[in-house]
Amino acid sequence: GDSVTQMEGPVTLSEEAFLTINCTYTATGYPSLFWYVQYPGEGLQLLLKATKADDKGSNKGFEATYRKETTSFHLEKGSVQVSDSAVYFCALSDTGNYQLIWGAGTKLIIKP
Amino acid sequence: GAGVSQSPSNKVTEKGKDVELRCDPISGHTALYWYRQSLGQGLEFLIYFQGNSAPDKSGLPSDRFSAERTGGSVSTLTIQRTQQEDSAVYLCASSLGTTPRADTQYFGPGTRLTVL
Repeated sequence: GDSVTQMEGPVTLSEEAFLTINCTYTATGYPSLFWYVQYPGEGLQLLLKATKADDKGSNKGFEATYRKETTSFHLEKGSVQVSDSAVYFCALSDTGNYQLIWGAGTKLIIKP
Repeated sequence: GAGVSQSPSNKVTEKGKDVELRCDPISGHTALYWYRQSLGQGLEFLIYFQGNSAPDKSGLPSDRFSAERTGGSVSTLTIQRTQQEDSAVYLCASSLGTTPRADTQYFGPGTRLTVL
């Protein structure tokens, strides 16, 4: 079956550091890929998505590129802020489906 | 406009009791989803509705779990004879339901269920 694997956290960085959170997937079809974020005390919200190979999703300074050849969708940000501290989830939705398959989540802690 | 709302926000119940969790999706969204978020299992899909029909119930963990949706809007997730392992945050999401695989899902704040 389909699955999503994320790097384990927590990831702790200093403010203005470069961020990468790795995400790889297995899918039987041709999935869309998503990053959702859960800020402390808040609900899940979409951060960015990509629906086909080589697409780049971007939002709030975060980027991720859909790499079909490596089955990856790594999340990057050039300069993180304390306000980026949250749990980040990678997810996929496969061909013909609506449901999301989730990674385990990566907690990000940014220190001033 | 209004987002997805869920009630109650917190529910504490005793083992063996039945509970009902409610979800109000974004107006106009035909697709509605229930997920469960727990420490041991992460985020798990439970059930998906398109209108009032549930084409995918594959994630419901047992026959103690059921869900319905009426009027293409409000949905209720019912857990009968609750067990301690049912303790989790139950999340509802909705989407336009027009684009399989690419719809953006909008999540509610969740209901935290604690079974004593």
